[in-house]
Amino acid sequence: QSVLTQPPSVSGAPGQRVTISCTGSSSNIGAGYDVHWYQQLPGTVPKLLIYANSNRPSGVPDRFSGSKSGTSASLAITGLQAEDEADYYCQSYDSSLSGSVFGGGTKLTVL
Amino acid sequence: QVQLVQSGAEVKKPGASVKVSCKASGHNGISWVRQAPGQGLEWMGWITTYNGNTNYAQKFQGRVTMTTDTSTTTTYMELRSLRSDDTAVYYCARREGSGEPNWFDSWGQGTLVTVSS
Repeated sequence: QSVLTQPPSVSGAPGQRVTISCTGSSSNIGAGYDVHWYQQLPGTVPKLLIYANSNRPSGVPDRFSGSKSGTSASLAITGLQAEDEADYYCQSYDSSLSGSVFGGGTKLTVL
Repeated sequence: QVQLVQSGAEVKKPGASVKVSCKASGHNGISWVRQAPGQGLEWMGWITTYNGNTNYAQKFQGRVTMTTDTSTTTTYMELRSLRSDDTAVYYCARREGSGEPNWFDSWGQGTLVTVSS
């Protein structure tokens, strides 16, 4: 079981908006640690999508946005496109484990 | 973007050790992340290249060692006492950010380690 909980799957039609949640606890997100998000297209290496809760690396479309509140974080994707179909992972730090932790991952299906 | 080049696939027997390399430059530290077939990402630990400091995930403490050779800008991850559930793709990734949690903005291509008798 992952320390950070993500829904196993989400789906949406092209053009729609979807959100992926990442729920933690008082020893990780709730303790104020940042959350980062990664996208892993099928058969490829993970790619940094959002860092420090809401910052996009150069080259990431502004259709992707991140937020954090309390013990949870969210990744929002607007204007859904077929190429967004991928696995998405959140990452934070857990003080009880003294290390980084990943969520279990969410598979996004574009209908 | 920094390029990280990892060593090739390995096949090992249970109980053996594996050492995966990751050649990269222009970074202060490297993390190792693994992904079992069909599963999610799992953080294994990090090493700071300029002073060799390490931080290993509790799950792997006592079984993993990360080292770095600054002369060749190569970082190594050795995992011992391999079990079948260690079969996974092992990634190195560049650590960025001034404090925990670092984020990983460049990744190696991955090294498949298969543990099978």
